[in-house]
Amino acid sequence: AQSVTQPDIHITVSEGASLELRCNYSYGATPYLFWYVQSPGQGLQLLLKYFSGDTLVQGIKGFEAEFKRSQSSFNLRKPSVHWSDAAEYFCAVGARQAGTALIFGKGTTLSVSS
Amino acid sequence: EPEVTQTPSHQVTQMGQEVILRCVPISNHLYFYWYRQILGQKVEFLVSFYNNEISEKSEIFDDQFSVERPDGSNFTLKIRSTKLEDSAMYFCASGLRFRGRDYGYTFGSGTRLTVV
Repeated sequence: AQSVTQPDIHITVSEGASLELRCNYSYGATPYLFWYVQSPGQGLQLLLKYFSGDTLVQGIKGFEAEFKRSQSSFNLRKPSVHWSDAAEYFCAVGARQAGTALIFGKGTTLSVSS
Repeated sequence: EPEVTQTPSHQVTQMGQEVILRCVPISNHLYFYWYRQILGQKVEFLVSFYNNEISEKSEIFDDQFSVERPDGSNFTLKIRSTKLEDSAMYFCASGLRFRGRDYGYTFGSGTRLTVV
């Protein structure tokens, strides 16, 4: 079955510290991978996506993610977290065929401590 | 940067009433989607729409739901007879694939539907 697992429900990181949010997926074909961020009461903002090519993907706000096919993972990283990064982060996977659904993980809530 | 626009941002309706949620996708996008997020839960796919027909739908998208692209710019989701459990944030998204390359999968800011 197709699924996305985000093992960490809630993570607290000190401001300035590095961050890694985990995402594992189960998908029948080579997937199309996304990370979205959602602030409370807001919509989904795309941080980055992987479609093909270089497995290390750079996104907005200083985020990056690495696609590791052998581990079925697409972990999100940031070298130095800012207080404004506190939000909920969703990993999603989709088919390369256009028009198909994205499957979302349950999300990881990031809190940033000062 | 182009945006997907959803209206209204918040709608309260009585159980059993019909609601229409509206979306204006990005103008050159060809694929359109509705997702929902019940409070505190993950985002769930409802339906995708391409070339004026549904291309995929989930188990959630039952006969109570319908979608329409009435005028070439708007994309609507209708819930015929709302139930309490339809209360959720509904997200519209649009995307474009051309010659095997992706040119976006952009979400709107959502409509919060509250059924009372």
